[in-house]
Amino acid sequence: NAGVTQTPKFRVLKTGQSMTLLCAQDMNHEYMYWYRQDPGMGLRLIHYSVGEGTTAKGEVPDGYNVSRLKKQNFLLGLESAAPSQTSVYFCAPPWGNDYEQYFGPGTRLTVT
Amino acid sequence: KNEVEQSPQNLTAQEGEFITINCSYSVGISALHWLQQHPGGGIVSLFMLSSGKKKHGRLIATINIQEKHSSLHITASHPRDSAVYICAAATGKLTFGQGTILTVHP
Repeated sequence: NAGVTQTPKFRVLKTGQSMTLLCAQDMNHEYMYWYRQDPGMGLRLIHYSVGEGTTAKGEVPDGYNVSRLKKQNFLLGLESAAPSQTSVYFCAPPWGNDYEQYFGPGTRLTVT
Repeated sequence: KNEVEQSPQNLTAQEGEFITINCSYSVGISALHWLQQHPGGGIVSLFMLSSGKKKHGRLIATINIQEKHSSLHITASHPRDSAVYICAAATGKLTFGQGTILTVHP
């Protein structure tokens, strides 16, 4: 997963607490994506960004906010965590015709 | 019906067996990705295909664009191949299959 890092790797939150997940990339990609992975549901797109200062909704955006103030960083925020947001979160730059897909190492979030 | 369907969902094999995982998609794509995820681990890209066939070691991936079908083959399977294998169709965004859980017993 060269060039894509995620922090934190693990987190336990109580219902109603907030947190921010950070994805950092040094690959100069314009596009960045946040996914969540749940058993039986596969990977689903939460939000994505097509460049610095831009964000857009994916399949499952409710309960999340994102920001892309700098090209290299894509932040995913949970303002008021709910147990349904217990999941593993992956950040990824875009796929491309000339390179394979890279994913960040993932953040395992548990909301109690 | 999901745009990307994988089969089987679960697969158990004995060490040394030849394994095939299938992926069918219903949308036009520019590429098809095969990914691997070990239990509790991150997601690793195995292949990106837009036509034909690719081989890395014991892994072979093929794609038939006309039939909208791709296969991942593992020759001489080993317990360390036990993982979830995911195909993803690139359509301007990535659409993922549900994954195939592979368990290889020694």
